[in-house]
Amino acid sequence: DVQLVESGGGLVQPGGSLTLSCSVSGFVISNDNMHWVRQAPGKGLEYVAAIDKSGITFHGDSARGRFTISRDTSKNSLFLQMTSLRPEDTAIYYCVRGSLYFDIWGQGTLVTVSS
Amino acid sequence: DIVMTQSPDSLAVSLGERATINCKSSQSLLSRSTNKNYLAWYQQKAGQPPKLLLYWASARHSGVPDRFSGSGSETDFTLTISSLQAEDVAVYFCQQYHSTPRTFGQGTKLEIK
Repeated sequence: DVQLVESGGGLVQPGGSLTLSCSVSGFVISNDNMHWVRQAPGKGLEYVAAIDKSGITFHGDSARGRFTISRDTSKNSLFLQMTSLRPEDTAIYYCVRGSLYFDIWGQGTLVTVSS
Repeated sequence: DIVMTQSPDSLAVSLGERATINCKSSQSLLSRSTNKNYLAWYQQKAGQPPKLLLYWASARHSGVPDRFSGSGSETDFTLTISSLQAEDVAVYFCQQYHSTPRTFGQGTKLEIK
């Protein structure tokens, strides 16, 4: 069964750091493009970062310079290292599979940035 | 970045009636090499992650009822629910996958009238 399970969210102070994990089962992540998408409370979907099959990464404007997407193929897991967190980073962060369209989404992990 | 704009922002339709949501992109999503439109639609119910409904603008994902259909090309697209059911209450998003970053529309909230 194909499944994406995020973890690592929580409450963090402004300026703090957090690393999100996405444990993948049912397929091999190096055979697909993987993404992080976030959704602020009551808001729309924002593309955060991606890593393609060959390991090349892309970071969206809101993430560039502060967040880093990576993967561990031995653990079949995806990560998002987040630093210099701001209140506007408060959101549910979804791990997503999709070489083109996004066909599998995790349940998400909530990150709250507040003092 | 490609900007995706949906209309309306919210919509109330009676059960059994047709619901139509529009999506406009700032650039053409039609690939001349594949002759396909790189446009997907997602449904997000309250408290759940989004789910893929349609891709290539009109292809239904596995398990999606045939009352959901998509149309359009290049920059103008439409999601139609032919006969609204109670379980269709959700927010609907369009997304382009023609280029990176994969941008989304702002969402359309669909409710029962």
